[in-house]
Amino acid sequence: EIVLTQSPGTLSLSPGERATLSCRASQSVAITYIAWYQQKPGRVPRLLVYGASSRASGIPDRFSASGSGTDFTLTITRLEPEDFAMYYCQQYLNSHTFGQGTKLEFK
Amino acid sequence: EVQLLESGGDLVQPGGSLRLSCAASGFTFSSYAMSWVRQAPGKGLEWVSGISSGADATYYADSVRGRFTISRDNSMNTLYLQMSSLRAEDTAVYYCAKDSGRIVLREVFDYWGQGALVTVSS
Repeated sequence: EIVLTQSPGTLSLSPGERATLSCRASQSVAITYIAWYQQKPGRVPRLLVYGASSRASGIPDRFSASGSGTDFTLTITRLEPEDFAMYYCQQYLNSHTFGQGTKLEFK
Repeated sequence: EVQLLESGGDLVQPGGSLRLSCAASGFTFSSYAMSWVRQAPGKGLEWVSGISSGADATYYADSVRGRFTISRDNSMNTLYLQMSSLRAEDTAVYYCAKDSGRIVLREVFDYWGQGALVTVSS
């Protein structure tokens, strides 16, 4: 099983700042098979980005993904108030596993 | 508009059984694989099971294999999860999720239902 470890556990930032969320895999995964989801409290997870550069329907271009091998990053440029939420990475190369999540909170 | 509506969540005793349903609309159900993903209270996401668009292939997480059975009725646009030998650690919100393709493998989950709460407790 491919284990995903996200860091930091909590990220405290202010609107307008840049957020960088990390996801490390226990074995090499092509970025083609890495996805990121957003979940707000009491809400359903929402697909953000997947593959090397694909954004899901309705997702603004301030969300982008990058990385290779075992290290991947979700970058949110110019944080908006609605971006403060929990973020999960997922690998779908070998079955499906998720990271434990990074909470993006107001500073 | 894609809609996924789960039902069947309940309180069940350890060792008991329960069947979840997910009614789909707004897309051609028979053209897409479907999955169940669960989230224990205050915890992260765990993929549970998936089924191909034509129901010819099913997949399970090790934690539920042999106890849960996924199925679908394409004529009724409905996905099911039959759960048996339930344990306390199965307590979670169970989400029905639409896969981005036909086969479950190497696909993302592009739409999610609102979830059904399953509580396993005596």
